[in-house]
Amino acid sequence: AQTVTQSQPEMSVQEAETVTLSCTYDTSESDYYLFWYKQPPSRQMILVIRQEAYKQQNATENRFSVNFQKAAKSFSLKISDSQLGDAAMYFCAYRRNYGGATNKLIFGTGTLLAVQP
Amino acid sequence: SAVISQKPSRDICQRGTSLTIQCQVDSQVTMMFWYRQQPGQSLTLIATANQGSEATYESGFVIDKFPISRPNLTFSTLTVSNMSPEDSSIYLCSVTETQGNTEAFFGQGTRLTVV
Repeated sequence: AQTVTQSQPEMSVQEAETVTLSCTYDTSESDYYLFWYKQPPSRQMILVIRQEAYKQQNATENRFSVNFQKAAKSFSLKISDSQLGDAAMYFCAYRRNYGGATNKLIFGTGTLLAVQP
Repeated sequence: SAVISQKPSRDICQRGTSLTIQCQVDSQVTMMFWYRQQPGQSLTLIATANQGSEATYESGFVIDKFPISRPNLTFSTLTVSNMSPEDSSIYLCSVTETQGNTEAFFGQGTRLTVV
């Protein structure tokens, strides 16, 4: 069974600084997707970034980037130039690619990020 | 991207009663899922809502407790039956638009408190 682990329950960063959130996962499969979702106090789950396992290049979306280490099964999220609006719970998630959209997301336990002004 | 309307956004219910949560999507979607997020916890999949047939439940979740309907490609309901305080959670509807699409969209969730 696949598992996702986030070892940092809480993190804090100063506004405009950079922070890295950690995520490791366990799977025996080779074709899968990894995601970072953000959940602000509004409860709305928002996709931050996704990574396809067969792509070696790390995904980047504006101030958000990942460090994907497939052999080590590590998938960290780097937030650059942190903003107050980045404060939220961040979830790492895994989804196998077999069967397309029928596959469920498996979530980590989350990291609560605080941004200090 | 799919826009999801989930109702109610929150409710306070008496133990022993049932609550039905609705999930309406603005476009036809392939897959619809129901997740539970217990206080301070991560999201756990309850079941996959299948159009026109019985939902597929994850281990630890049963149809008698969480009956699910999906009469068409844009609508689903989740009922939390015979509620107890342990059912106090956020319940989220999630959809995936097409077979090849990897992105999952979420409703804003229903915050349920059972007293």
